[in-house]
Amino acid sequence: ELKVEQNPLFLSMQEGKNYTIYCNYSTTSDRLYWYRQDPGKSLESLFVLLSNGAVKQEGRLMASLDTKARLSTLHITAAVHDLSATYFCAVERKSSGDKLTFGTGTRLAVRP
Amino acid sequence: GAVVSQHPSWVICKSGTSVKIECRSLDFQATTMFWYRQFPKQSLMLMATSNEGSKATYEQGVEKDKFLINHASLTLSTLTVTSAHPEDSSFYICSASGVSSYNEQFFGPGTRLTVL
Repeated sequence: ELKVEQNPLFLSMQEGKNYTIYCNYSTTSDRLYWYRQDPGKSLESLFVLLSNGAVKQEGRLMASLDTKARLSTLHITAAVHDLSATYFCAVERKSSGDKLTFGTGTRLAVRP
Repeated sequence: GAVVSQHPSWVICKSGTSVKIECRSLDFQATTMFWYRQFPKQSLMLMATSNEGSKATYEQGVEKDKFLINHASLTLSTLTVTSAHPEDSSFYICSASGVSSYNEQFFGPGTRLTVL
């Protein structure tokens, strides 16, 4: 059974600081996604990582994938309050019919 | 492109009644639609996968007689919560795939169900 874990579960950080969210998964995957969720809202797609070594950046967020270590990271650079949200990684496996297994989520609070 | 809508966005119902939630792909034909449930401060849990014209495939532990899924066309899937109880109160999110080369799922805005 595929398990996806994120850490930390909760992160309170100061504006301007850098931090990394980790996503570990238990079996081989075909694709990995990162999503953002604001309170009371649905998911907003941030990144899709298709292969080992993939790195994608958008603004203050950068995601990477190491399939050998079964690890993805979401790095936050110079955090701002607008980044406060819950972040989920999700792993997709073709062998399971392209179903997504979501991580536990990381609730990020950026304080002044 | 790749917009998915849900209706209603929120619904309050009495215990024992049934509630239908619609999921539509607005600008593409969805070969597959997925239904998720999310309890407060928890992650998304897949309930079922549906393909147009065929029976839905339910995840382990999800009662197929309680959560009826119909995927009548390539743009519409419905989830009916039958005989709803307070423990069914949750945020229900659908997604649809079929437009990108790697079958990325596009998520609807969600439906908040409250059962009194």
